[in-house]
Amino acid sequence: AQSVAQPEDQVNVAEGNPLTVKCTYSVSGNPYLFWYVQYPNRGLQFLLKYITGDNLVKGSYGFEAEFNKSQTSFHLKKPSALVSDSALYFCAVIRAGNNRKLIWGLGTSLAVNP
Amino acid sequence: DTAVSQTPKYLVTQMGNDKSIKCEQNLGHDTMYWYKQDSKKFLKIMFSYNNKELIINETVPNRFSPKSPDKAHLNLHINSLELGDSAVYFCASSQGLAGGPWNEQFFGPGTRLTVL
Repeated sequence: AQSVAQPEDQVNVAEGNPLTVKCTYSVSGNPYLFWYVQYPNRGLQFLLKYITGDNLVKGSYGFEAEFNKSQTSFHLKKPSALVSDSALYFCAVIRAGNNRKLIWGLGTSLAVNP
Repeated sequence: DTAVSQTPKYLVTQMGNDKSIKCEQNLGHDTMYWYKQDSKKFLKIMFSYNNKELIINETVPNRFSPKSPDKAHLNLHINSLELGDSAVYFCASSQGLAGGPWNEQFFGPGTRLTVL
């Protein structure tokens, strides 16, 4: 069965420090992987995705993620966190060939402290 | 221009009532979705339509009935509302299926439903 795990409910980081939000997945076959962000009282916004090719994917707001097939991970990273990055982050996966629905992680709350 | 819009933004109602939430997208997408986000922020897919055809129908009480009059609109009607229906409901759209499953979804601002 397909699944996505975000092992940390909350991540705290100081402004200016690098941040990492972790995601691991379990699918049979090749995955398509996504990161979305939800700011307070807003809908989700797409950040970036991995389809194929370069394992390092760059997205909006200076975020990037690295696809690691051997570790079945797709961690979200940013070199220097901003207070405005504080939000809820969701990882999601869909198996290539299964064009029905995304499997969503439970979300990780990121708090960037000034 | 709002890409995915939902009305109403807030909905407060009594148990047992029937209510509807409307969603419209002006992105030209062919796939639309309804999600439920509970108080713990867990996101759950409820339904998906592709070109007015229901393609995802998760384990949702049959009190919930989606309707898609055209591919730009997807409404959600809820009968006999219960306390547990209180949540934020998000509509989303994507150029899915025909465009490939790798297309990202665009979300509406959400409808906060409170059942008293």
